[in-house]
Amino acid sequence: AQSVTQPDIHITVSEGASLELRCNYSYGATPYLFWYVQSPGQGLQLLLKYFSGDTLVQGIKGFEAEFKRSQSSFNLRKPSVHWSDAAEYFCAVGPNANAGKSTFGDGTTLTVKP
Amino acid sequence: SQTIHQWPATLVQPVGSPLSLECTVEGTSNPNLYWYRQAAGRGLQLLFYSVGIGQISSEVPQNLSASRPQDRQFILSSKKLLLSDSGFYLCAWSLGLAGVGTDTQYFGPGTRLTVL
Repeated sequence: AQSVTQPDIHITVSEGASLELRCNYSYGATPYLFWYVQSPGQGLQLLLKYFSGDTLVQGIKGFEAEFKRSQSSFNLRKPSVHWSDAAEYFCAVGPNANAGKSTFGDGTTLTVKP
Repeated sequence: SQTIHQWPATLVQPVGSPLSLECTVEGTSNPNLYWYRQAAGRGLQLLFYSVGIGQISSEVPQNLSASRPQDRQFILSSKKLLLSDSGFYLCAWSLGLAGVGTDTQYFGPGTRLTVL
């Protein structure tokens, strides 16, 4: 069975500082990996995804993530955080070959200090 | 372009009352459709998914049911709500091409349900 672990429930960083959100996964084959962002009271928006090829993936809003098969990780990074990045971030792995459903982590809440 | 709608945006219902949440997708055909629940401070829990009209798979036993009467319409229902049904309900769709690597999910704005 596939699973996703986001070890950090809550992270606080200062505006302008760098950010790394951790994601570890368990999957029986080459995974499809996703990062989504959710602003308060809103739906989820895709930041980036990895299916194959280059293990460093660029996404929207200046985010990137690196797939490391040996560590079963797909950590999200941003070199300089903006106050508008405060949100909840979800890592997901999938899909199930029959239905395309992904498994989501429990999320990491990012607070940005001025 | 594709869009996904959910309504209502917020709902307050008494315990024991029925529920119907609706989700519709525009601009695509034969999508995979999903219902998630997000409890306060928790991650997403997949409740149901559908790969076609009338085809519903349930992920967890619960007080809720889902139906897909039309290709791009997905309905979440309950006959009698429980307090534990409170949460943020998200509908999502993905292209119905499993295994092709196109299973990014696109989420609706969500429905905030409070059961009192």
